[in-house]
Amino acid sequence: SQQGEEDPQALSIQEGENATMNCSYKTSINNLQWYRQNSGRGLVHLILIRSNEREKHSGRLRVTLDTSKKSSSLLITASRAADTASYFCATDAKGSSNTGKLIFGQGTTLQVKP
Amino acid sequence: ETGVTQTPRHLVMGMTNKKSLKCEQHLGHNAMYWYKQSAKKPLELMFVYNFKEQTENNSVPSRFSPECPNSSHLFLHLHTLQPEDSALYLCASSQLGGELFFGEGSRLTVL
Repeated sequence: SQQGEEDPQALSIQEGENATMNCSYKTSINNLQWYRQNSGRGLVHLILIRSNEREKHSGRLRVTLDTSKKSSSLLITASRAADTASYFCATDAKGSSNTGKLIFGQGTTLQVKP
Repeated sequence: ETGVTQTPRHLVMGMTNKKSLKCEQHLGHNAMYWYKQSAKKPLELMFVYNFKEQTENNSVPSRFSPECPNSSHLFLHLHTLQPEDSALYLCASSQLGGELFFGEGSRLTVL
């Protein structure tokens, strides 16, 4: 079954606003990762948060993880038109780190209008 | 430039053709992956190789045949595909358990 599910599926905001995307998953995890994909291109890793961490920052990105609710959020502050892309969460189920099985959600398509 | 190179970037093939997708990583990683990305569907994990050994086959039809001759190279051999196999095929590499580094993908169209 699908591990990660993002919400919303699509988000449209004005430049300068903040964008928040959510991810829910079903099983216990070792870590949760967020990736970005520009249209027709490969995915690019943004940030990894381990199951024993609650919050992590990287530049304008802030990721939170709530293992009790099996959910994570990605916040992009002061968005720019160049942030327009699809954003995916991915999880590796506990016990799967020796197989490398990373499961992706359906993604949130973010449009930032100039 | 992510350190993962996929060729070809675009491929059009008939259902009776045999073709191969190639992936090469220059990052010294020990794990390599094939993912399939279709429109309006989540990224689907197809195969995982760790130190050249296949550790995951996600119920992929036998018309897709992976080959991993060494830790730096990964192939996906394609034979008698169906139009619904048209998709973006993404290769990735990592240290096992770490972040994935993706190639730019091979856009496959099956006529």
